[in-house]
Amino acid sequence: EVQLVESGGGLVKPGGSLRLSCAASGFTFSNFWLSWVRQAPGKGPEWVGRFKSKIDGGTIDYAAPVKGRFTISRDDSENTLYLQMNSLNTEDTAIYYCATDLSRRPPPRWSYWGQGTLVTVSS
Amino acid sequence: DIQMTQSPSSLSASVGDRVTITCRASQSISNYLNWYQQKPGKAPALLMYAASSLQSGVPSRFSGSGSGTDFTLIISSLQPEDFATYYCQQSYSVPLTFGGGTRVDIK
Repeated sequence: EVQLVESGGGLVKPGGSLRLSCAASGFTFSNFWLSWVRQAPGKGPEWVGRFKSKIDGGTIDYAAPVKGRFTISRDDSENTLYLQMNSLNTEDTAIYYCATDLSRRPPPRWSYWGQGTLVTVSS
Repeated sequence: DIQMTQSPSSLSASVGDRVTITCRASQSISNYLNWYQQKPGKAPALLMYAASSLQSGVPSRFSGSGSGTDFTLIISSLQPEDFATYYCQQSYSVPLTFGGGTRVDIK
């Protein structure tokens, strides 16, 4: 069974940092692309960024609002995706989900999601 | 960036109704269009991918169509479990973007 389990959320002050983790199981983690998607309270989902698999180049893409502040990494030996978030501001308050798909055929999509972890940025 | 515009933003419907939601991309995205359903407190769930392909396990009352810039999600006969918010999402180019959502509630 495919499982994605996020952790690391919490309350942080503006300007602070937080590191989220997404532990994966039930599939060959290294073969697939993974994304972070966030959802602010009462708003729609917003893509944060993605890490392609090494066999597809291993490139990382970010959304403009987080570029330069957030860093996505992955540890294929630990089946874990990370999101390092620096210089947090109140607009980063959201539930953060990791998501993936196992088809390896276009178009990219997210058929598996974690339960999400809440990040609250507030003084 | 590719902007995704959904309409309507909300609608009220009854069980058994046919419901149509549209999504327009600001530029051509071929068929790189996915639809998600989200219920309160839950992560989005994939309904359709590649504009018209039904995700495994999704009831056949859901269908999708379109290519290029204009797309449609149809629920042929609305069921109680279908009351939710629906989002389109393009995966043609980064940044990957979502539509604003369509909330379907009970009339």
